[in-house]
Amino acid sequence: DTEVTQTPKHLVMGMTNKKSLKCEQHMGHRAMYWYKQKAKKPPELMFVYSYEKLSINESVPSRFSPECPNSSLLNLHLHALQPEDSALYLCASSQATGGGQPQHFGDGTRLSIL
Amino acid sequence: GQQLNQSPQSMFIQEGEDVSMNCTSSSIFNTWLWYKQDPGEGPVLLIALYKAGELTSNGRLTAQFGITRKDSFLNISASIPSDVGIYFCAGQLDSGGGADGLTFGKGTHLIIQP
Repeated sequence: DTEVTQTPKHLVMGMTNKKSLKCEQHMGHRAMYWYKQKAKKPPELMFVYSYEKLSINESVPSRFSPECPNSSLLNLHLHALQPEDSALYLCASSQATGGGQPQHFGDGTRLSIL
Repeated sequence: GQQLNQSPQSMFIQEGEDVSMNCTSSSIFNTWLWYKQDPGEGPVLLIALYKAGELTSNGRLTAQFGITRKDSFLNISASIPSDVGIYFCAGQLDSGGGADGLTFGKGTHLIIQP
């Protein structure tokens, strides 16, 4: 079982809907990440939070809005998504100091945009 | 952005055979990681490598961090059916803060023939 918990596991939404993906970890990690993974492709980095502050945004469209309300939680707010946004969205966490800390992934939310 | 070349793309082997896969990069990474991803799940960390030349084992798995810091390989000895899945290499630059995103290879799909 993964120590990074993502909810929901599956989400189907229309292009005009607003929804949120949630991620939680209790390993004391102070860095959290969002990745997007299309079918048969590797994960691609979207956002990095370090000590609850956004440190990296990989030029992600504004229809994706991340939020880190505390050190254990990471949200991804979705609005006006496009069909090409259908993918597996993975959350990961790691220690934030010391360099080269391995990232631990959740099982993802499979998002389908109608 | 940086790209990792992972090969082979897929492997069809018999149970009991040894497996070898590798990743190369056009630029240096400070950390190399190997993950395995099963269908419907997130990537699971197998081995983390932190120093050039480092050779690390985890059960039947052995991985090495190349001397040039631009490559890494993963070997699996005496493959068993549960080894089936997609294996990803991932490189991390390490800006000093620890919270850097990962760059993934395209994956090696391991299939074990009966």
